[in-house]
Amino acid sequence: SQTIHQWPATLVQPVGSPLSLECTVEGTSNPNLYWYRQAAGRGLQLLFYSVGIGQISSEVPQNLSASRPQDRQFILSSKKLLLSDSGFYLCAWSVQGGNQPQHFGDGTRLSIL
Amino acid sequence: KQEVTQIPAALSVPEGENLVLNCSFTDSAIYNLQWFRQDPGKGLTSLLLIQSSQREQTSGRLNASLDKSSGRSTLYIAASQPGDSATYLCAVNNGNKLVFGAGTILRVKS
Repeated sequence: SQTIHQWPATLVQPVGSPLSLECTVEGTSNPNLYWYRQAAGRGLQLLFYSVGIGQISSEVPQNLSASRPQDRQFILSSKKLLLSDSGFYLCAWSVQGGNQPQHFGDGTRLSIL
Repeated sequence: KQEVTQIPAALSVPEGENLVLNCSFTDSAIYNLQWFRQDPGKGLTSLLLIQSSQREQTSGRLNASLDKSSGRSTLYIAASQPGDSATYLCAVNNGNKLVFGAGTILRVKS
């Protein structure tokens, strides 16, 4: 069966520090991968998605970037964190194809001080 | 631009009641619609997925319907239990992208 792992579960970082959140999927190959953010008082917002290695689509302009160095690895990064980057970050995967269900990880709670 | 609205924002019911959560969307050109459950501080658990060609899906005490032409979906929960307390999210798939509603916070009182 397929599983998705995100780490760390919680992270507290100072403003201006770098960020690296990692997501890996097991039990499938060539998945679509997604990063979402859930900010306090706001709904889930799609940040990035990837349909293959090195292929990244950005949905909203922001202080973050994403990379997919391997088929089942998706990384969310920032060079300098802002207070507004605080939130709950969720990674998801789906089988290739526009009508497939998405499956979510347990999320990373990011607090910026 | 697709917009998804969920009503009510919060709901409190006594145990055993049947209840309906509502979801509406502005663009009917969707691939599918997914209902999720989110417990506090946790990730999303997929409950039901309805493809655009389907009218409803059932899983246990849950039944989700879809009226694509009118841009509406409902999640029906039968015989609610305290363990059903969570935030319920509706999301529409426009092709590799899920657009979420803000959610309905459900509390089932014992």
